[in-house]
Amino acid sequence: AQKVTQAQTEISVVEKEDVTLDCVYETRDTTYYLFWYKQPPSGELVFLIRRNSFDEQNEISGRYSWNFQKSTSSFNFTITASQVVDSAVYFCALSEAGFGNEKLTFGTGTRLTIIP
Amino acid sequence: NAGVTQTPKFQVLKTGQSMTLQCAQDMNHEYMSWYRQDPGMGLRLIHYSVGAGITDQGEVPNGYNVSRSTTEDFPLRLLSAAPSQTSVYFCASGTGVNEQFFGPGTRLTVL
Repeated sequence: AQKVTQAQTEISVVEKEDVTLDCVYETRDTTYYLFWYKQPPSGELVFLIRRNSFDEQNEISGRYSWNFQKSTSSFNFTITASQVVDSAVYFCALSEAGFGNEKLTFGTGTRLTIIP
Repeated sequence: NAGVTQTPKFQVLKTGQSMTLQCAQDMNHEYMSWYRQDPGMGLRLIHYSVGAGITDQGEVPNGYNVSRSTTEDFPLRLLSAAPSQTSVYFCASGTGVNEQFFGPGTRLTVL
């Protein structure tokens, strides 16, 4: 069975600090997909990134970056120079190979608060 | 494109009542899913569909029924609501290749 662990329940940082959100996953599949979603206070779910298990390259998108390490089964998310608009709950998720992404297993989320 | 739409946005039911949560998408996506979100538990998959006429159970299917008669619609039925079904429900659709698009959610309270 798949499992996604986000051990950090809540994190608070002062604006402009960097912050890393941890995600550890478990799966028996050799092919799988990892995702990050953002849920701002308004409640909608916003897609941030999708990564397949064969692509271990780190990715950077503006102030966001992701570190995928198969050796430690981790897919961590870093926000550089945080802003108040980054305050949200962030979910890491995993989907099995062969199911595309219609079967997502989510972590319990990390609530990030950016203090102005 | 309206994307993924869900109705109603809010609903209060009494124990034992039935209702249907509506979900529609206009992106011609084959894959649609229902999730529930509870405090401290993230989102959990209830049912999903890989195309019209094809549905399957997710992690927490008990108490819920689904059907998929068209590509666009994927309603979720509660036959006899229970307080344990108080939650926020999200519908999602996707191509199976990239991201899933989520609807705005339905907040359901069962008294």
